Amino acid sequence: NAGVTQTPKFQVLKTGQSMTLQCAQDMNHNSMYWYRQDPGMGLRLIYYSASEGTTDKGEVPNGYNVSRLNKREFSLRLESAAPSQTSVYFCASSDQGTYGYTFGSGTRLTVV
Amino acid sequence: AQSVTQLGSHVSVSEGALVLLRCNYSSSVPPYLFWYVQYPNQGLQLLLKYTSAATLVKGINGFEAEFKKSETSFHLTKPSAHMSDAAEYFCAVSTTNTDKLIFGTGTRLQVFP
Repeated sequence: NAGVTQTPKFQVLKTGQSMTLQCAQDMNHNSMYWYRQDPGMGLRLIYYSASEGTTDKGEVPNGYNVSRLNKREFSLRLESAAPSQTSVYFCASSDQGTYGYTFGSGTRLTVV
Repeated sequence: AQSVTQLGSHVSVSEGALVLLRCNYSSSVPPYLFWYVQYPNQGLQLLLKYTSAATLVKGINGFEAEFKKSETSFHLTKPSAHMSDAAEYFCAVSTTNTDKLIFGTGTRLQVFP
């Protein structure tokens, strides 16, 4: 099925470990986004990429890096995980943000 | 800058009762407004969107929302709740100046038999 695919679905990390969350879309969308979802706080934008080769910080970028590998793929990297990064991470894509996003099913990350 | 406020983090209704989820927005330019639904352990699914056409917007699963500029509101309603409507609902705003969606903090809807 067409859409946004995130891997992995679940991950447990120890404090200080690194990992990369993968995201790929097959809808030929220009824009891609990474959000984190925490209870009572809704979704907060971490980083976004308006087009291949460009990335920009969102509301909560500290502790994260991103790579827009090509038009399809947008990865999120945690270089040194901290317990405060325990969250559910969602990737999304859009052709034009004013018409809404398509979301992946999320990655549930726990940092112990 | 844009923002949305969802009044009520939890709403409970009986099956068959009216559903009303409140959303107020703040925007210095004409907004585009969205409602998303999230079922347990799933991603977000678009329910409906307002993009400056008709002010009454109909979405999936019998939901609708009305854009009221004078009240800066975009409340979500459904005449008769179904058990399957139990989920978390998010209001979001963007504008023609940005592709970024700004989300509210969400409202969890419970439906009792």
